[in-house]
This record gives sequence, C-alpha cells and structure tokens, in this order.
Amino acid sequence: DAGVTQSPTHLIKTRGQQVTLRCSPKSGHDTVSWYQQALGQGPQFIFQYYEEEERQRGNFPDRFSGHQFPNYSSELNVNALLLGDSALYLCASSLVGGLNEQFFGPGTRLTVL
Amino acid sequence: DQQVKQNSPSLSVQEGRISILNCDYTNSMFDYFLWYKKYPAEGPTFLISISSIKDKNEDGRFTVFLNKSAKHLSLHIVPSQPGDSAVYFCAASTYSGGGADGLTFGKGTHLIIQP
Repeated sequence: DAGVTQSPTHLIKTRGQQVTLRCSPKSGHDTVSWYQQALGQGPQFIFQYYEEEERQRGNFPDRFSGHQFPNYSSELNVNALLLGDSALYLCASSLVGGLNEQFFGPGTRLTVL
Repeated sequence: DQQVKQNSPSLSVQEGRISILNCDYTNSMFDYFLWYKKYPAEGPTFLISISSIKDKNEDGRFTVFLNKSAKHLSLHIVPSQPGDSAVYFCAASTYSGGGADGLTFGKGTHLIIQP
C-alpha cells in the first residue's frame, strides 16, 4: 500500500519565479492538506482540498494556490517566490469525516536564491 | 500568537527510562490532539492521538494524557529505546463543516535517548 508521495524531492528557484509541487495521497484518502515547515519550526497549515475545492485555508497570501484532481492528487503553486518561501513543503492526506490522523509525505525541499 | 506550545526544545533521557514530552495549548476550540515523530529528511509519522472527550489513550509503549482544564497534554514513552530519538511534534485540530480542519503544530521537542 503506497503511502503519500511527493515530487520533486528538492528544488532550487530564484526570486520572482513560480513553482509547482505535486502530491499523491495515500490509497483510499480523499483529502489533501499542505504545510510549510521552516527550519526549526513546526509545520504551518497552508490549505486543505476536498472534492477538488479548497475547503480551508491558513494564514498564507494569495501567492500560494492549489488544485486537487479527480484522482485526489494535488498540486501546490507558489508565485512570485520570495527568499522567505525557502522551506520544506509537506503534503498530508486523510479521510474527510474521519478522525484527523493525517499521513504525511517526505516533503519537497524548496530553496529560493 | 502560538496556539500550541512545546516549551522544551530538547530532552535527554536514558535508555529504558520514561520519556515525558509536554504540550500546552491556548485555543479552547481544539477537540482533537495528535503526536507526530519526525526523523531528519522524512515527513512526520503519526504516533498517537486523543479526543477531547477522553483523558488518556494508550498504544503499546506510548500513552497520551489530556488535561482539558489546564489545556495541557503529555506523551509518555515507556521504556525509551534508542530508535525513539527524533523530533516530536504536538498538533491540535478542530472540526468544521463535517470534516477535520488543518492541524496546528507546536515547534517540536528533540528527544535524545542516551545508551
């Protein structure tokens, strides 16, 4: 049973560029959440997708956007990259209506130069 | 304003002894609490959770205690093993619209098990 997968593993971009990160949820899960983890901090909630719509959003600017596809996989897009966007981006999947045990992928390490 | 706080950045415990990791929260709307373990270069791994209607939940060597009046929870690991060395995150969530919301995490506690 495949767990949560993310691609790419690492990414280097320059300020002002745009980036797309991808996530495939654990088999049987229908909800995908994205988190940003800066160095030395806990993960911070960006947004959550269910039924191809953004269900909830954390305190992140509109430069952060996402999408969920019919097969439940998801993308995170970040526009106009800033140096402060350098972080580990984590994707987590869960079942809506179930207990909130979210299962995390290994993350994508984004470096903005 | 941090709604979930882990005030000990690190904790060192001897192998075989009990490890106790603490977490405090400020948002009284939180009704579900989770502990995650994280190794370097990996995503967080779910360990154990507790609903706000309970005060204790056990799973093998791991027990989570919840004190709602104090807005405090703790994770006990007995006995501690070398493989338990990792960063432990406390997380909390609410429910809205029929589903669980995004998790709010603490900053983590680095647990080091000494041989």
